[in-house]
Amino acid sequence: SAVISQKPSRDICQRGTSLTIQCQVDSQVTMMFWYRQQPGQSLTLIATANQGSEATYESGFVIDKFPISRPNLTFSTLTVSNMSPEDSSIYLCSVTGWRGNNEQFFGPGTRLTVL
Amino acid sequence: AQSVTQPDIHITVSEGASLELRCNYSYGATPYLFWYVQSPGQGLQLLLKYFSGDTLVQGIKGFEAEFKRSQSSFNLRKPSVHWSDAAEYFCAVGDSGGYQKVTFGIGTKLQVIP
Repeated sequence: SAVISQKPSRDICQRGTSLTIQCQVDSQVTMMFWYRQQPGQSLTLIATANQGSEATYESGFVIDKFPISRPNLTFSTLTVSNMSPEDSSIYLCSVTGWRGNNEQFFGPGTRLTVL
Repeated sequence: AQSVTQPDIHITVSEGASLELRCNYSYGATPYLFWYVQSPGQGLQLLLKYFSGDTLVQGIKGFEAEFKRSQSSFNLRKPSVHWSDAAEYFCAVGDSGGYQKVTFGIGTKLQVIP
């Protein structure tokens, strides 16, 4: 299966600051996604990271709050901007199209706590 | 819009007992269906998937699921549960071939007692 790493694995941040999360895949993939999992909740798709163009955001999520980059086919970043305690969640990167496989693989997640 | 309902938030079973986790979906066409497992502090792992063909799907760790179009269901089963199966289980529906976004259910937390 795809080997996906996320950095940092966890962080504790102050209100009003920003955090950038990195997602690295061991091989080129077709699609990369970012999800949020709030405490005790299911996964909610934030956006699809598009290589070489602006990300596609789901309803309720905006670029100013969650800017996303995808400079190549194996790497993406998600920034959580101007954080508040409500942003405390696990943020997961996922990919599809890894070596032609249409399964969606997930990274280990980044656990964010905002004080 | 696609959606997934997992009616059981929390299930407790005895080790060695059988297990069935319920999942109902809403989707306008032939769905692509998935079951994922998330162990404490771990990432998500795909247990099995249904795209087409045989409606009874075998997965990893001894799990299986049956697609029933008439009931819009994709229930997960295991004949004998092990303590290591304690985890959270997510049913999900995808809109095409797994390359596109996936919508997750709220999850069912499984507790296994000795």
